[in-house]
Amino acid sequence: DAKTTQPPSMDCAEGRAANLPCNHSTISGNEYVYWYRQIHSQGPQYIIHGLKNNETNEMASLIITEDRKSSTLILPHATLRDTAVYYCIVRVTGSQGNLIFGKGTKLSVKP
Amino acid sequence: DTGVSQDPRHKITKRGQNVTFRCDPISEHNRLYWYRQTLGQGPEFLTYFQNEAQLEKSRLLSDRFSAERPKGSFSTLEIQRTEQGDSAMYLCASSPLLGASPLHFGNGTRLTVT
Repeated sequence: DAKTTQPPSMDCAEGRAANLPCNHSTISGNEYVYWYRQIHSQGPQYIIHGLKNNETNEMASLIITEDRKSSTLILPHATLRDTAVYYCIVRVTGSQGNLIFGKGTKLSVKP
Repeated sequence: DTGVSQDPRHKITKRGQNVTFRCDPISEHNRLYWYRQTLGQGPEFLTYFQNEAQLEKSRLLSDRFSAERPKGSFSTLEIQRTEQGDSAMYLCASSPLLGASPLHFGNGTRLTVT
């Protein structure tokens, strides 16, 4: 079973920041938080991952709370092409490393 | 584009037929994964290879399913005696051996069993 909880859907206005929350209250010390997104009829696309520090790349920022029980993915300037299902996943490093997906958050960016 | 490649993109078959899908991972990625995704659900793990060794199989992988990665490069997933419940998107992903490296997915093969 997925070890994360996400809202089923969210809306965001085009050009505004999209903040997608994720709860992972049972996360272990050696588990990373990964974010993927999936646009209809495509495979999941890797966005970002982190352990305990905040991370930023060209796509997004990941903010992880100090107790690591929740995180937020931030898309700083959402566009219509960011409309997708966003998955938050925790994964143990050092194991075979397969990802366990939940149902994710359907983000709709509106003009 | 040197991403994960899957072939075919779409497959329609009649119940009872056998089908085979191919996955070409990103070059030099040691790990290769197969997932299945049905409508409205997240991808579900099926099986995992490290190089040519199949190290884990999900309970979802019935005995009608078989996967191979003969030379540690491309992989095939075969479904024998297909059933309508096998209709789904079959996704392949690969990653390097390094511990926290993310998985990179292909765009999948959509199977429709009529």
